[in-house]
This record gives sequence, structure tokens and C-alpha cells, in this order.
Amino acid sequence: IAGITQAPTSQILAAGRRMTLRCTQDMRHNAMYWYRQDLGLGLRLIHYSNTAGTTGKGEVPDGYSVSRANTDDFPLTLASAVPSQTSVYFCASSASGSYNEQFFGPGTRLTVL
Amino acid sequence: GQNIDQPTEMTATEGAIVQINCTYQTSGFNGLFWYQQHAGEAPTFLSYNVLDGLEEKGRFSSFLSRSKGYSYLLLKELQMKDSASYLCAVMDSNYQLIWGAGTKLIIKP
Repeated sequence: IAGITQAPTSQILAAGRRMTLRCTQDMRHNAMYWYRQDLGLGLRLIHYSNTAGTTGKGEVPDGYSVSRANTDDFPLTLASAVPSQTSVYFCASSASGSYNEQFFGPGTRLTVL
Repeated sequence: GQNIDQPTEMTATEGAIVQINCTYQTSGFNGLFWYQQHAGEAPTFLSYNVLDGLEEKGRFSSFLSRSKGYSYLLLKELQMKDSASYLCAVMDSNYQLIWGAGTKLIIKP
């Protein structure tokens, strides 16, 4: 693995189904983030984790949950998907410190029907 | 509320110079970032400003005025591969990034 990976690349999901988006990084970054990107809107933070074992809510957390059992992995779960969760989801990571850039995964394109 | 404003779309000619502006109103300020995002791809880091002034990095430069809540990204000697969206983001008092909607830059031959 080089950098940050996400799976799946894309998914079509029936409303009401449970779905977990996976994110793994090999840069030993403390901080990790989940964003959604919708047309005409900026990236919006869903959840974040400043270090393994801790998580926090971002701007749009409702309907999503995360866990951070170790440094490398940060899965995002949709407990019961709804059509408004159709979006492109990006996972990102950064080293500690406000000046550190965030590195992004390739994204997961999710469609909820 | 927190707000980041940047133009939705700009067009420029190959070989020319273009300036993409960003204005912001946020709760606190811990730096401003510019990212580039090609269609269908992830954002990639371009620059970081935390002090007033100009930061130059090759063909790209970024300027910040904290008193005016203003930044710009300057792209020189434009190439076709510079066609992309450019995202402005401000780190607020909680050390979270607040993102603008992005400026789609179209380069014409």
C-alpha cells in the first residue's frame, strides 16, 4: 500500500441497507477524516479522528458512524442508507499539527436508490 | 456562520496567467490551503499560507491577507494540464478545514 486507499471504488445501494466504506493509510498519520463531496458544494466533514481510539463529529454526521481501532484504518458506516447520502466520499489523513496538509484517498462513489 | 467564497468557473488561455480569488469568514484562523482537483480524482495539496504575503512555488503562487479575509492563487504559464478545480480551504479555531465549493478552471488552446 502506498498512501491512502479506499474501498469500494463505487457502489449502488438500495435504501435501508447498511454499508461500510473502508479507508486504510500506511503513512502512520495520527489524524483521519471522512468527507462527502456534492456538486456545487464544498467538501463537508462527516467525522474525524485525531488519534487512534478517539473520534469526533464534523459538520454533517447524522446517519453515519466511524470507529478508529488502530492508526491505519478508519471505516465509515451508513447504518440505514437514504437517497440523500448519494455522494462521493473521500477519506483523508494528516500528520499532527495545523500546518500539515491532508492526503486524500481516491474516493468512493456511492449511489443510494 | 462560516463561509468561503470563490468564483464558480474561470476560463483562461494556454500560456497566460490567471488569478483565482478566495474570501473567507470563519471562526478563527489557523491557515489557508489551496488544493487542486482534476475531474474524477482526489484533491491534492498545492499551498499553505498562515502569514500575510506571497508564497511562490514554481508556476504557482498563493497570497494571503488576514486583515481582509482574502487569498488568491496565481497560476503562470498556463498549461492544458492545469484544467481542474481549485479548492480554497481555511483551518478554523477547532483545527477543522472549512472548504469552498471550488473554482473550475478551463484552459483553452
